[in-house]
Amino acid sequence: DTGVSQDPRHKITKRGQNVTFRCDPISEHNRLYWYRQTLGQGPEFLTYFQNEAQLEKSRLLSDRFSAERPKGSFSTLEIQRTEQGDSAMYLCASSLALRVAGRNEQYFGPGTRLTVT
Amino acid sequence: KQEVTQIPAALSVPEGENLVLNCSFTDSAIYNLQWFRQDPGKGLTSLLLIQSSQREQTSGRLNASLDKSSGRSTLYIAASQPGDSATYLCATTGTSGSRLTFGEGTQLTVNP
Repeated sequence: DTGVSQDPRHKITKRGQNVTFRCDPISEHNRLYWYRQTLGQGPEFLTYFQNEAQLEKSRLLSDRFSAERPKGSFSTLEIQRTEQGDSAMYLCASSLALRVAGRNEQYFGPGTRLTVT
Repeated sequence: KQEVTQIPAALSVPEGENLVLNCSFTDSAIYNLQWFRQDPGKGLTSLLLIQSSQREQTSGRLNASLDKSSGRSTLYIAASQPGDSATYLCATTGTSGSRLTFGEGTQLTVNP
């Protein structure tokens, strides 16, 4: 399967612990996005990378959140000192850059569901 | 700041019916609009992408239209089937062509 993959699919953690999620984009895609989705809501943008550069961050991305894409391939999203309000589905997506494809169709992974107890 | 609204929030129809899902957005300066399907507890599946210069896109039983000037898009599903039951989300990309801004979705149930 050559789609976007995410690991783990589910994570249960206690409040105050740190967690890290991984996303592997479609191999030829140079853009990678993170979104967060809570129950009954549409996804909300967190941040995106073009290659290894983090080009945009939402105000939702507090200082407890950090994302990296060190070699322009896979990405990690870390949440430090988790809070119950962090419980959500974390979605990753990838796309080609506009200048390459002329369009920005984003393809999503299955998500990581985080539950903070 | 772009705001995307989807109406209705939920819709229940009998199998075989044609239906229309609505999406509206406040900022018409979009790069494109994308419709997605989401099954419970799963990720998003891209259904159709309409670029800002286009008026509509079709894929099988699905047809999406875009009226940028009025800030509206519709997703038409013909001859609905129980397997179409899911949440349908629309999302816009701004002129920078980066982040997607989503509506809250329409939860569709097609009854056999």
